[in-house]
Amino acid sequence: GAVVSQHPSWVICKSGTSVKIECRSLDFQATTMFWYRQFPKQSLMLMATSNEGSKATYEQGVEKDKFLINHASLTLSTLTVTSAHPEDSSFYICSALRGMVRTDTQYFGPGTRLTVL
Amino acid sequence: DAKTTQPTSMDCAEGRAANLPCNHSTISGNEYVYWYRQIHSQGPQYIIHGLKNNETNEMASLIITEDRKSSTLILPHATLRDTAVYYCIAGAGSYQLTFGKGTKLSVIP
Repeated sequence: GAVVSQHPSWVICKSGTSVKIECRSLDFQATTMFWYRQFPKQSLMLMATSNEGSKATYEQGVEKDKFLINHASLTLSTLTVTSAHPEDSSFYICSALRGMVRTDTQYFGPGTRLTVL
Repeated sequence: DAKTTQPTSMDCAEGRAANLPCNHSTISGNEYVYWYRQIHSQGPQYIIHGLKNNETNEMASLIITEDRKSSTLILPHATLRDTAVYYCIAGAGSYQLTFGKGTKLSVIP
């Protein structure tokens, strides 16, 4: 149990276009999902926390108008990178919190590699 | 969240136990110790977590010292597929995990 999927697994797009990444919890409901970004040879950096039915909370330095997050259901959160530029090229990883309390476990998706040309 | 310190890298022979240390000397009483690993180009995988008692599951064992200032993750019989970066994270809950640089474990045939 506790499987999180992401789609697509990789995407290449032109500069200026928007890209949507989906994150799904397959066998559990997730009130809270998280989005991380990982640049080469670096660790994961939390971008935002999304709660179902409410606005996402963004980490300092993350542009909320550029990285649009929608958590419309208990099993789906989406991240849209708007007007993507080459510096947005990165590995984007989502996770879902299984449970309702903060000590419950976070499970991660396989990641989406975005390359902006 | 408490800061954790891990060795940058470790090697382990295939079939032997891999013991990965983590120092969290500033951990507070309500903070858990979480272990995740990340195999190259994949999302992190949850391994185990604990508060003060030792824990064991099908993947690993977690040994936490009595003063809770350090812990050791034990993979009892390392395989080549265990080659990954292992992250030790201390925090009041899984709600927000702060990933450090972790330990790069290489399992050698």
